[in-house]
Amino acid sequence: NAGVMQNPRHLVRRRGQEARLRCSPMKGHSHVYWYRQLPEEGLKFMVYLQKENIIDESGMPKERFSAEFPKEGPSILRIQQVVRGDSAAYFCASSSWTSGRINEQFFGPGTRLTVL
Amino acid sequence: TQLLEQSPQFLSIQEGENLTVYCNSSSVFSSLQWYRQEPGEGPVLLVTVVTGGEVKKLKRLTFQFGDARKDSSLHITAAQPGDTGLYLCADMNRDDKIIFGKGTRLHILP
Repeated sequence: NAGVMQNPRHLVRRRGQEARLRCSPMKGHSHVYWYRQLPEEGLKFMVYLQKENIIDESGMPKERFSAEFPKEGPSILRIQQVVRGDSAAYFCASSSWTSGRINEQFFGPGTRLTVL
Repeated sequence: TQLLEQSPQFLSIQEGENLTVYCNSSSVFSSLQWYRQEPGEGPVLLVTVVTGGEVKKLKRLTFQFGDARKDSSLHITAAQPGDTGLYLCADMNRDDKIIFGKGTRLHILP
């Protein structure tokens, strides 16, 4: 399956613990986006990364959240000291780049984070 | 900040019936998109529309983009249980962020 892969699919954490969500983009894609879907809310943009660079993090909460997309390996969304309000589905999307424009974003199946 | 309003929020109809769901934007769309999201999965792109007044068809789905590029409708003919899901309208901005509406949750009863 050459689609966007996310793991784990389900993650349970207690308040105060750390959550690490992983995303492997589609083969050949160099752009990664993270979105959060809160219960009864729409998907909201969090951050846009290229290899080793954060391009736009305007949707990221100011504290406890960070993201990276290293030269090798998956993109990681890290949430420190989780709180109940962090419980949500977190989706990763990836896209390729064609000269002058960004192409369609393909979404992964998501990681469902539950904070107890 | 652009807001996308979708209606209805929920829709439950019998198999074989027709339906229309709507999307209205507080500002002009850059690039209108419609997605379908099934339970436990990520959204899947159905269509991208750029030109005002444009109509696109995808089998039994017809997507219409308003002339002023601020509203859109999705019409499904002869709905089937496989059409069940969350339908999301979205705007892909020039800065590549996608702004989503909250969606219409559609349930087709067999």
